[in-house]
Amino acid sequence: RKEVEQDPGPFNVPEGATVAFNCTYSNSASQSFFWYRQDCRKEPKLLMSVYSSGNEDGRFTAQLNRASQYISLLIRDSKLSDSATYLCVVTGGYNKLIFGAGTRLAVHP
Amino acid sequence: DAGVIQSPRHEVTEMGQEVTLRCKPISGHNSLFWYRQTMMRGLELLIYFNNNVPIDDSGMPEDRFSAKMPNASFSTLKIQPSEPRDSAVYFCASSPSDRGTDTQYFGPGTRLTVL
Repeated sequence: RKEVEQDPGPFNVPEGATVAFNCTYSNSASQSFFWYRQDCRKEPKLLMSVYSSGNEDGRFTAQLNRASQYISLLIRDSKLSDSATYLCVVTGGYNKLIFGAGTRLAVHP
Repeated sequence: DAGVIQSPRHEVTEMGQEVTLRCKPISGHNSLFWYRQTMMRGLELLIYFNNNVPIDDSGMPEDRFSAKMPNASFSTLKIQPSEPRDSAVYFCASSPSDRGTDTQYFGPGTRLTVL
């Protein structure tokens, strides 16, 4: 079983749509959680951290469910510029971030 | 502010040749990471330095791979001899934290092709 699992997609949605991604992780001891965004042929960039109480940053909302070991990302009012791969990231021990393989989002006009 | 700088951006070499990838972390950052990304395996941590000292190299695939950080502003990842299966994008990342589990800032990557 992979340490971090994501639906690879692609999710094809029209502009203005709401889209949600889920991610599951296997290490119950993981303490920190993140969503990174990676554009085609570019480097990953931090989108947002994920806090236990859930957090929102503009059109983006992240939720954490420790009991079920999953993390979600909700994007409201999708823009063309949101098209990218979204990487779910969890901590694996003291020294490591473990990256999921990513979920591809394509927003079309 | 300059981000993480990597060179070269692209490298094409033949099997058996030595390859050296270079990284300059963000000034003031204490931790530096080397990752490899492939379609099959995703993004994998190869090695992590904190204050120029290697902390975790468990991800280094084999003896053909070596990494150094001689000072706070420079690191190299060397592959010798290179093999076609080493073809990947190699990212360097740095973090202001001493922990390997806080926010990391990635460089643009080096796209390596081994023929």
